[in-house]
Formats: sequence, C-alpha cells, structure tokens
Amino acid sequence: QKEVEQNSGPLSVPEGAIASLNCTYSDRGSQSFFWYRQYSGKSPELIMFIYSNGDKEDGRFTAQLNKASQYVSLLIRDSQPSDSATYLCAVPSNDYKLSFGAGTTVTVRA
Amino acid sequence: ETGVTQSPTHLIKTRGQQVTLRCSSQSGHNTVSWYQQALGQGPQFIFQYYREEENGRGNFPPRFSGLQFPNYSSELNVNALELDDSALYLCASSSLQPDIYEQYFGPGTRLTVT
Repeated sequence: QKEVEQNSGPLSVPEGAIASLNCTYSDRGSQSFFWYRQYSGKSPELIMFIYSNGDKEDGRFTAQLNKASQYVSLLIRDSQPSDSATYLCAVPSNDYKLSFGAGTTVTVRA
Repeated sequence: ETGVTQSPTHLIKTRGQQVTLRCSSQSGHNTVSWYQQALGQGPQFIFQYYREEENGRGNFPPRFSGLQFPNYSSELNVNALELDDSALYLCASSSLQPDIYEQYFGPGTRLTVT
C-alpha cells in the first residue's frame, strides 16, 4: 500500500465550478497534512496545511480532514484558469520526510 | 517566491560522472530537505539536514550524499550518475518552529543524464 494516494486525474472542470481533490494516507499517526500546487515546469508551492479534523478555509481553497477515515481533501471553489496545475498531497512520516502522492492534474476550461 | 534558492537551474551530465547541486534556505530556516521528482511523479524524499547533520534518509543509495553548512545552506552530491537519475531535484527549507514539515521549495535543478 502506498503511503499517500490521490485520485487519479486528470480532472477537467468548467470555469466557476468546484474542483474536488482527494487524498488517502496509510500512517494513522500523521498529525499534519499539506497541499502543494505545481505548475508545469515549476516547483511545488505550499498552498494549504491542516492539523485538525474538520474544514479549513483560505480564500477559494478549503481543506477537509478526517483522521478516522485517513482522508484529506482539497476543494477549489469558483475555479479559474489560473488554477490549472497539478495538486500534490503530502503527509509527514516518522523519519522527518514528507511523503507525496503522485498528484492530480486539474484543468479549468474557460 | 519562497526565498529558497538553488543552483544551477539546469545541468546535463554523462553517465558515470559526478554532480553537486546547491541550495540556500529561506531566512530563519535551519533545516533543509532534498527531494527527487521524476516526470509525472510526486517528489521522493532523499534526505534531510538539521544542524549540519543528516536527520533522516529515504530509500536512496549511498552514492547520494549531502552536506549542510553553518549558514544552513546545503549541497547534494550524486556519484556515478545513472540514466535514471535524470529528474528535477528539489530543495525545501523549514524550521522546527512552527513545524519541520511545513516545507518551502526552491525552484529546483533539472538534471539530465545522457
């Protein structure tokens, strides 16, 4: 079982719609969870982190965490063409590393 | 911009050669982590340096080695390059406070091995 798994893409959504990205993780002891955005040819950019069960909102982004189900999601509301990118879920492990999913590529069509 | 810098931006090497990649951490950060990202994959953890010592290591062979300097900058060295080492190499900096896992990436070094 992979440490972090993301829903396979690509995900295509119309401009103004909600993009929903999912991530499951295997380490029940994980305490913090991160979402990175990576534009093509660029490095990952940290856009959200969440520590507690429930929702965390930052602008058009909402992260949702359910530790019992080992599930974290990212919602992008009012999607814009500039949101077209690959979104990476990252979960820490005991040996100080961040384990990343393979990423979900989102395309927002005008 | 995160304040993390990496050099060089691009590099082309021949199989069997050695390469050194460099990273300067963000101001206030004392921890540097290195990742390898192959095309279409998420970043894979190579190792982390804290206070000039290796603080954790991923599943990479010993020909991948590193250093951290007193100013918290870091180097990644790869010996005996193989074709599969072609990837984007990412450096990320962080600090124990607020969270060592809240890591910010530099722009990366694109390594091509021919």
